[in-house]
Amino acid sequence: SQKIEQNSEALNIQEGKTATLTCNYTNYSPAYLQWYRQDPGRGPVFLLLIRENEKEKRKERLKVTFDTTLKQSLFHITASQPADSATYLCALVTSPIGGKLIFGQGTELSVKP
Amino acid sequence: GAGVSQTPSNKVTEKGKYVELRCDPISGHTALYWYRQSLGQGPEFLIYFQGTGAADDSGLPNDRFFAVRPEGSVSTLKIQRTERGDSAVYLCASIPSGGGRDRTGELFFGEGSRLTVL
Repeated sequence: SQKIEQNSEALNIQEGKTATLTCNYTNYSPAYLQWYRQDPGRGPVFLLLIRENEKEKRKERLKVTFDTTLKQSLFHITASQPADSATYLCALVTSPIGGKLIFGQGTELSVKP
Repeated sequence: GAGVSQTPSNKVTEKGKYVELRCDPISGHTALYWYRQSLGQGPEFLIYFQGTGAADDSGLPNDRFFAVRPEGSVSTLKIQRTERGDSAVYLCASIPSGGGRDRTGELFFGEGSRLTVL
């Protein structure tokens, strides 16, 4: 069956460290993968997109990797800050022209000062 | 408006009642999506529209759920004979027609409508 799995347990790290979140998928061939941030009581907010032919994408303190052989994406936040505390969702799209986004269950990140 | 607007923000209803949830997307956005999210879970796809037509309604759980977008902008999600299991946050999102290479497919979400069925 098709699955998207993210770290189910909350991730607790110290301020200044790098947070690494994992997104694994099974029985999908994504055209691209996106990462979103969601704060409690709010809708998700887009962060980054990475395509199937890209290995890595960066934006400020964020880095995303995409390994289609391992069927995995890693999301890194360097020099983490308490304000980075939120739930992070990965989502994949199977068609290069768009269509439905399928989300993982999210990983809650807590950055302690 | 500046963002995706969803009303009501909270709805409490009794089992068996009919409910309508409204989504007003960002002006000019061509595609509109409905998701529902239960506590501790990611958004679960329900349906998406390209213009007025439903391009993919494969996520609607059963025939009690129906959505319309008659003029290609505002959409209404309709739930008949509500059940306690329908309790969730219903999220609406829209996509711009442009947006640049790095933002293809980026969804702009509203804050959601929290539905509680007693």
